[in-house]
Amino acid sequence: EIVMTQSPATLSVSPGERATLSCRATQSVSSNLAWYQQKPGQAPRLLIYGASTRATGIPARFSGSGSGTEFTLTISSLQSEDFAVYYCQQYNNWPWTFGQGTKVEIK
Amino acid sequence: QVQLQESGPGLVKPSETLSLTCTVSGASISSYYWSWIRQPPGEGLEWIGYIYYSGSTNYNPSLKSRVTMSTDTSKNQFSLKLSSVTAADTAVYYCARITGGYLGYWGQGILVTVSS
Repeated sequence: EIVMTQSPATLSVSPGERATLSCRATQSVSSNLAWYQQKPGQAPRLLIYGASTRATGIPARFSGSGSGTEFTLTISSLQSEDFAVYYCQQYNNWPWTFGQGTKVEIK
Repeated sequence: QVQLQESGPGLVKPSETLSLTCTVSGASISSYYWSWIRQPPGEGLEWIGYIYYSGSTNYNPSLKSRVTMSTDTSKNQFSLKLSSVTAADTAVYYCARITGGYLGYWGQGILVTVSS
């Protein structure tokens, strides 16, 4: 099973600042990586798939990059509605697996 | 607009079988792969498995011996059964639609507690 490790566990950021979240895989997942946002009491929402393609309706301030084993989600200018937990997920090898999440909190 | 809704008991006794149904609207289940994911309280996400409308399935090896998924195309539903549950199976259970391996549409989730 591929283990996905996200860092940091918690990221404290001020509104308007840039946030950079990392996701690392224990073996190559090519570009078969997705990012999700989850707010308290809600289901996760798809942000990015194919490592860098924004899902429908996702603002341009969200961008994804990377391939192989190292991936990054960048939020260029944090808005109040962006404070949430973010998960990466690989779908290159079954069982598809999620990272443990990065919580983005208000500084 | 695609919508998914989980339903089933919110409380299951230890050693019994957890049974959930996901009702899909706005899309035919005959066109996609469908999945179950769970999230223990305060923890991360775990993929349980997925099913195609034809009945083809793929389960997480960690749960494979206890999981059964099925579809009912006449009702546009798919279902999950998890047997021999313990407290460790307490979680929010989500159903979702798969597109190429990622999850574009999710249900709101249903909390299932395993307790006597």
